[in-house]
Amino acid sequence: QKEVEQNSGPLSVPEGAIASLNCTYSDRGSQSFFWYRQYSGKSPELIMFIYSNGDKEDGRFTAQLNKASQYVSLLIRDSQPSDSATYLCAASGYSTLTFGKGTMLLVSP
Amino acid sequence: DTGVSQNPRHKITKRGQNVTFRCDPISEHNRLYWYRQTLGQGPEFLTYFQNEAQLEKSRLLSDRFSAERPKGSFSTLEIQRTEQGDSAMYLCASSSGQGGDSETQYFGPGTRLLVL
Repeated sequence: QKEVEQNSGPLSVPEGAIASLNCTYSDRGSQSFFWYRQYSGKSPELIMFIYSNGDKEDGRFTAQLNKASQYVSLLIRDSQPSDSATYLCAASGYSTLTFGKGTMLLVSP
Repeated sequence: DTGVSQNPRHKITKRGQNVTFRCDPISEHNRLYWYRQTLGQGPEFLTYFQNEAQLEKSRLLSDRFSAERPKGSFSTLEIQRTEQGDSAMYLCASSSGQGGDSETQYFGPGTRLLVL
């Protein structure tokens, strides 16, 4: 059974701070990992993906992957109230995605 | 690029009725996926198509569920004899089909189903 685990939160950070979201996965065969943002009542929106060990930066977002530890993280720098949403981590395998339950992020002004 | 579209956006039905949802993928995307999401959970994979071929189905997809993609473009998901437990958001996603197992899926707005 492939599983992706996330802390459900909420994770509360003040505006301008760094938010750190974490995810672990069970299937060592997973090749790539995706972070989606989901606002309440809306569908998931892709933030970024990562395939290789290490860091990948895209604007205010940095994804980190450690395949040995089966650990993925997303850092959001200079957090804004508009970043308040649920962040979904997903692992790919055999053309489908396995999602975690998501972590709710609350950014207070 | 108009994105993935889904219709209807909302559906309320009575238990025992049949419902059908439609998904139009991003133009020229070969792969199309269906997921179901309930409150507090992440999306759960239901099935996916490569062009018109249905390549994988989840155990979640009971006999009451059927999906088609007859011409390799839009897809329909039908639920027969709906049950209250079918109430969920049904999400469609598409991908180019060029990147193997690691390609990015883009989601549509979803169809929210409520079974009374």
